Amino acid sequence: NAGVMQNPRHLVRRRGQEARLRCSPMKGHSHVYWYRQLPEEGLKFMVYLQKENIIDESGMPKERFSAEFPKEGPSILRIQQVVRGDSAAYFCASSPLGIVNEQYFGPGTRLTVT
Amino acid sequence: TQLLEQSPQFLSIQEGENLTVYCNSSSVFSSLQWYRQEPGEGPVLLVTVVTGGEVKKLKRLTFQFGDARKDSSLHITAAQPGDTGLYLCAGRTTDSWGKLQFGAGTQVVVTP
Repeated sequence: NAGVMQNPRHLVRRRGQEARLRCSPMKGHSHVYWYRQLPEEGLKFMVYLQKENIIDESGMPKERFSAEFPKEGPSILRIQQVVRGDSAAYFCASSPLGIVNEQYFGPGTRLTVT
Repeated sequence: TQLLEQSPQFLSIQEGENLTVYCNSSSVFSSLQWYRQEPGEGPVLLVTVVTGGEVKKLKRLTFQFGDARKDSSLHITAAQPGDTGLYLCAGRTTDSWGKLQFGAGTQVVVTP
């Protein structure tokens, strides 16, 4: 039973480029969450999605960041016009329908903005 | 300011000793999870506690949820080098549907 998959594991972007981070939830899970871990800081919630719906985006920066979880395919976290401050580890988690307590995390994508 | 305060921030002990990590808040949580994270990896779920006063045991690890559901503790008996890692508590408040609030973590180092 494969766990949460994220790709790429490492991503290097120059300032002003776009970054696309992908997350495939565990089989049978229909809830996806994105978190960011900045250097020397804890994990911070960004967004919670179900298929084709954004449930809670209270942790998303107002500009340049967007997320989607389409009917088919992985969830995508998109960062436009990246800046150095976007350098961080981005983690995706998933949980099954109806059981929002337990979130299972992927290995993360380390984004470096040069 | 962290909603969940973990203490201590760092703990270094010898193999065979016991340790306790604390997670405290002024907020009430509908559930609380403990995770362990290795460098370069994602957090791995250890346990979920839901009921106030609940105690769960996972081999040498004992997890307790406070009666008021505002705090939790993780106790490790006879620690082993394999217990080394960053321990994170994370809770879902009663007014949050899916968002987990994380503590800053406790770095545990167990030396042989």
